[in-house]
Amino acid sequence: GAGVSQSPSNKVTEKGKDVELRCDPISGHTALYWYRQRLGQGLEFLIYFQGNSAPDKSGLPSDRFSAERTGESVSTLTIQRTQQEDSAVYLCASSLRGRTDTQYFGPGTRLTVL
Amino acid sequence: AQTVTQSQPEMSVQEAETVTLSCTYDTSESDYYLFWYKQPPSRQMILVIRQEAYKQQNATENRFSVNFQKAAKSFSLKISDSQLGDAAMYFCAYRSMEYGNKLVFGAGTILRVKS
Repeated sequence: GAGVSQSPSNKVTEKGKDVELRCDPISGHTALYWYRQRLGQGLEFLIYFQGNSAPDKSGLPSDRFSAERTGESVSTLTIQRTQQEDSAVYLCASSLRGRTDTQYFGPGTRLTVL
Repeated sequence: AQTVTQSQPEMSVQEAETVTLSCTYDTSESDYYLFWYKQPPSRQMILVIRQEAYKQQNATENRFSVNFQKAAKSFSLKISDSQLGDAAMYFCAYRSMEYGNKLVFGAGTILRVKS
């Protein structure tokens, strides 16, 4: 079946602009995660959604970052007033309920803030 | 907080040879999961192998196996009969059993395979 998809694959924006990144999880996966990967570094956890429960936002680096999820489907990560340090690859992953040990990742969105 | 350390930024191996990637971690928990993920240039993270901390037996998946040393908090990945397609960035990751909403990743090791 189809895997996790993300759009756009690449995004170039100017400092101060807002951006929206989209993630389509695998159908039937109730858990969805966002990670940030800076150049040459490992992934940093940003936010986790599980069904209709309140999301775990403990990884969001500032109040400029927010994310929403519509039911158990699409999620959007929004970065307001982008800064150059926001430049990174943003990866989304999904998993079945109770199987957070096995996350399936999308190809990521490479964000470049000029 | 848990941390994961990969001390080898880059490794090289000859095709058909064996290579071992190192990973150490720090935790106060007794139950947890450990993972190795592969990230090729396509950026898609691919789960290579998984180990539950309560299992003493080392996990294996075809040419991939781990050496899990719980007391030493070490979790190395061995790739046997290396293939050109194994070239990628490899990440070691930790997941808490109790607070399992996220994975904690190491900085990664670039593996180059020479023909």
